Amino acid sequence: NAGVTQTPKFQVLKTGQSMTLQCAQDMNHEYMSWYRQDPGMGLRLIHYSVGAGITDQGEVPNGYNVSRSTTEDFPLRLLSAAPSQTSVYFCASRRTGRETQYFGPGTRLLVL
Amino acid sequence: AQSVTQLGSHVSVSEGALVLLRCNYSSSVPPYLFWYVQYPNQGLQLLLKYTTGATLVKGINGFEAEFKKSETSFHLTKPSAHMSDAAEYFCAVSDSSYKLIFGSGTRLLVRP
Repeated sequence: NAGVTQTPKFQVLKTGQSMTLQCAQDMNHEYMSWYRQDPGMGLRLIHYSVGAGITDQGEVPNGYNVSRSTTEDFPLRLLSAAPSQTSVYFCASRRTGRETQYFGPGTRLLVL
Repeated sequence: AQSVTQLGSHVSVSEGALVLLRCNYSSSVPPYLFWYVQYPNQGLQLLLKYTTGATLVKGINGFEAEFKKSETSFHLTKPSAHMSDAAEYFCAVSDSSYKLIFGSGTRLLVRP
């Protein structure tokens, strides 16, 4: 199993550009989440999904969009990038709501 | 609402000394509690977790944590620090919802 994979590993954007961060898992997990990590703030939940076709907002959803058309994939879209979205983004998945969560290697995003 | 507080953004110990990383949580229902470790430029990996049953939980790399309901704490300990333990450590709580909430993290420095 590859586990949770994320692409790209690093990205530089200009303010106003849009992009999609890709996330995939091959463990047949129902639950998937996106977090952003900023110094001194831990990991903050952006959006999450409890199954294909079902998504919901986390703590910091503004400026981000998600969809879940398959069990395997959970892309995160930045609609119009802002410098405040400079961060490290982690995708994670778990089998059920209270099971161990597995993380991808992260995407480092810089918005100029 | 659930929340996690990690006391001390940085903890420094000598090699061979006791490691103690503090975590306090709030949850309206019996929680599931987790400790994750993050090495530089990597994703998070599970150290240990508490679900139900025995309150002293043993994890990987010699770490353990004790769930104390009366103190709403889940502190992480290791009897003897090793240089390879230098990393950032995150405590997380999951209640009956679909969300896993993280603390702000504690960076462990190990002095030779």
